[in-house]
Amino acid sequence: DAGVIQSPRHEVTEMGQEVTLRCKPISGHDYLFWYRQTMMRGLELLIYFNNNVPIDDSGMPEDRFSAKMPNASFSTLKIQPSEPRDSAVYFCASTSTGDGYGYTFGSGTRLTVV
Amino acid sequence: LAKTTQPISMDSYEGQEVNITCSHNNIATNDYITWYQQFPSQGPRFIIQGYKTKVTNEVASLFIPADRKSSTLSLPRVSLSDTAVYYCLVGVPWGGYNKLIFGAGTRLAVHP
Repeated sequence: DAGVIQSPRHEVTEMGQEVTLRCKPISGHDYLFWYRQTMMRGLELLIYFNNNVPIDDSGMPEDRFSAKMPNASFSTLKIQPSEPRDSAVYFCASTSTGDGYGYTFGSGTRLTVV
Repeated sequence: LAKTTQPISMDSYEGQEVNITCSHNNIATNDYITWYQQFPSQGPRFIIQGYKTKVTNEVASLFIPADRKSSTLSLPRVSLSDTAVYYCLVGVPWGGYNKLIFGAGTRLAVHP
């Protein structure tokens, strides 16, 4: 398996623009997580899905952020409009119920909003 | 989820054994202890998980005393490539409430 695949690896955008981050989880995994990492706040859980259904989105910072999982092999995290304070590395992770805390993380998307 | 406390940073030299201790005084009966490793510019990577006593794999050992209020991650004979941030997490990995909350972690620097 190729692991959790995220795209793009790097994204630079202007303030006010819409940004869409993409994630392909490991086949067969039924949990998908979106995290954000910054120097100031560390790794923050934004939202997670189980069987494509959002379970907990309490970490989503504000309404500008939205996440979808239309099927078991694809998820998106959208920021609209983007702001400089959204600059961070965004990670996607997946696991299956039987693997417990054995999450597999993707390589992340480094987002820079200028 | 039980709160964890671990050192902010540690230094070591190549070839030494490194022990990182994590405190989790409020650990619950069903909680497991899980450690992750994160290299710069990469996502965290699962290292090891345990419930009690000792767990060993090809990467590390995890020592958990009988009261389970702390745990120690042991890295034998570290090399420069072990320089990373190590996270200790406590929680119930199975069931309906399945999410990991990361703390600040321990930044390990291995020197030549």
